[in-house]
Amino acid sequence: GQQLNQSPQSMFIQEGEDVSMNCTSSSIFNTWLWYKQDPGEGPVLLIALYKAGELTSNGRLTAQFGITRKDSFLNISASIPSDVGIYFCAGQEVNRDDKIIFGKGTRLHILP
Amino acid sequence: GAVVSQHPSRVICKSGTSVKIECRSLDFQATTMFWYRQFPKQSLMLMATSNEGSKATYEQGVEKDKFLINHASLTLSTLTVTSAHPEDSSFYICSAAPLGAGNTIYFGEGSWLTVV
Repeated sequence: GQQLNQSPQSMFIQEGEDVSMNCTSSSIFNTWLWYKQDPGEGPVLLIALYKAGELTSNGRLTAQFGITRKDSFLNISASIPSDVGIYFCAGQEVNRDDKIIFGKGTRLHILP
Repeated sequence: GAVVSQHPSRVICKSGTSVKIECRSLDFQATTMFWYRQFPKQSLMLMATSNEGSKATYEQGVEKDKFLINHASLTLSTLTVTSAHPEDSSFYICSAAPLGAGNTIYFGEGSWLTVV
């Protein structure tokens, strides 16, 4: 099935560093969602974006809905060990009946 | 926040048998629920859209006779994997959107299926 282009695929950072990841699509989206998934569990919603240009924060996380409606980014500031996991972007295309499609994920590793 | 519960969280079944996975929205109603499959170290792939009171809509390449979906009420959808084979072993995740809550989707905890 169709997927979003999410990058990077994986990141190795030091604790305390900031993190940035993004997703792009060839089609227009009306919703962008960012999820975090820990091993063996379902994805947990971090941030939901509904309008082009929208910038939303959730604690140390900040995400933006791109102006073109074809991209979104997620930033994590001052990373901590519990930030380790897989981050997925997801979105709803216009006129796709609430279907959510996912990026391939960004696997975040934090070095001691 | 909205809660979606899946049961069982883990199940092991013999090859050729069928297994049912339930997805419940605990504190909201959902006319539509979604079923995903996730293989190890891969992303979530949409299998089908479960519609309350009507037939499910399957994504291309997903066998509707093998993956039976029933959405009998506004809070429950079930996925039955029929005649399971080892290659059906995977992590199955459902999601649902509260009615009138915009486009926010909440996920269940997932169900690990192992077919031996």
